[in-house]
Amino acid sequence: GENVEQHPSTLSVQEGDSAVIKCTYSDSASNYFPWYKQELGKRPQLIIDIRSNVGEKKDQRIAVTLNKTAKHFSLHITETQPEDSAVYFCAATSGGSARQLTFGSGTQLTVLP
Amino acid sequence: ETGVTQTPRHLVMGMTNKKSLKCEQHLGHNAMYWYKQSAKKPLELMFVYNFKEQTENNSVPSRFSPECPNSSHLFLHLHTLQPEDSALYLCASSQEGAPRTDTQYFGPGTRLTVL
Repeated sequence: GENVEQHPSTLSVQEGDSAVIKCTYSDSASNYFPWYKQELGKRPQLIIDIRSNVGEKKDQRIAVTLNKTAKHFSLHITETQPEDSAVYFCAATSGGSARQLTFGSGTQLTVLP
Repeated sequence: ETGVTQTPRHLVMGMTNKKSLKCEQHLGHNAMYWYKQSAKKPLELMFVYNFKEQTENNSVPSRFSPECPNSSHLFLHLHTLQPEDSALYLCASSQEGAPRTDTQYFGPGTRLTVL
């Protein structure tokens, strides 16, 4: 089955700096890669996603890159703000099915004012 | 209320109790999911229902029993649980088929504590 590794597990940055979170996956048939943000005590919410036919996608301060050959994808947050502090999860589809999402273990991002 | 709702938000139960978790989605989706979120571990997919039919069961113990009476409601029946089953149980929904969005929308979760 699919295996998703996420690094780092914790990340602290100064406000205004950039943050990068990286994930690798094992299933070459995976074709959908969402990123979720989970604030303390709240539900995971989708912040950005990318499909295997695209190498990069950007939405304001958030971007995701995908390297299918190397089987890794990354989340980039620029000009970080305190409200970006949360746990971020990457995920990848298993076996080509959008329903079977395998999640990474999460990254606790802390933005220091 | 819009989106995905879950009740109860918190539940404390003994190992011999029987309880049920409820999930309702107001998004017109046709697929629903149960996930388990334990501390320091990735979200674990438990069950998937598509058009009310169970399509995935990720080796979940039989003390967890799902029920999907229609595409808007999903239940998780619990009986004779173990303390290690204490976790946040999240429900999610998505739209399968055309137009498929792949995006899964999560409910707020039920925080379960088994004594």
